[in-house]
Amino acid sequence: GENVEQHPSTLSVQEGDSAVIKCTYSDSASNYFPWYKQELGKGPQLIIDIRSNVGEKKDQRIAVTLNKTAKHFSLHITETQPEDSAVYFCAASWASGTYKYIFGTGTRLKVLA
Amino acid sequence: DTGVSQNPRHKITKRGQNVTFRCDPISEHNRLYWYRQTLGQGPEFLTYFQNEAQLEKSRLLSDRFSAERPKGSFSTLEIQRTEQGDSAMYLCAPGTGKAEAFFGQGTRLTVV
Repeated sequence: GENVEQHPSTLSVQEGDSAVIKCTYSDSASNYFPWYKQELGKGPQLIIDIRSNVGEKKDQRIAVTLNKTAKHFSLHITETQPEDSAVYFCAASWASGTYKYIFGTGTRLKVLA
Repeated sequence: DTGVSQNPRHKITKRGQNVTFRCDPISEHNRLYWYRQTLGQGPEFLTYFQNEAQLEKSRLLSDRFSAERPKGSFSTLEIQRTEQGDSAMYLCAPGTGKAEAFFGQGTRLTVV
């Protein structure tokens, strides 16, 4: 079945630096890749997503890149701020069927002031 | 505002008891998903509704679990004869015709 691996499991960066989180998926049929931010005690919040027909998408300080050949995608956060500290999850899904998500195991990002 | 309300937010129950959670999307969504998240892990898919029809169930959903979406709007998830391994956050996620899904705040279940 589909599997999504996510690295690193924890990441500490200085405020203002960039953070990169990487995910690899196994099912080549996957064509939708959302990223979620989860703060303590809350549900996951969709922050950005990308479909397989594009290679990169940007929204202010957040960007996602997708390499379909290598089956990996990455989240880039620039100019990190303390409020970016949270757990980030990648997920993979495919358009035919239910759109159910297979999630990675999460990355705990700490932005040090 | 995530567009979905889940109740209760927290539930503590004794092993062997039955529990029911409710998910109320604020606006109409033809798709609705239930996920389970244990500590330190990503959410895991449990089941999926297209309107009122339950179209897919995960192997994680044992026969002690049942979900309904009677009118294609709110949904309930019931766990019978709870076990300690059922302790987790249960997340509801309405979805549109596109791929996006927006998660509620979840119901945290603790089985003692």
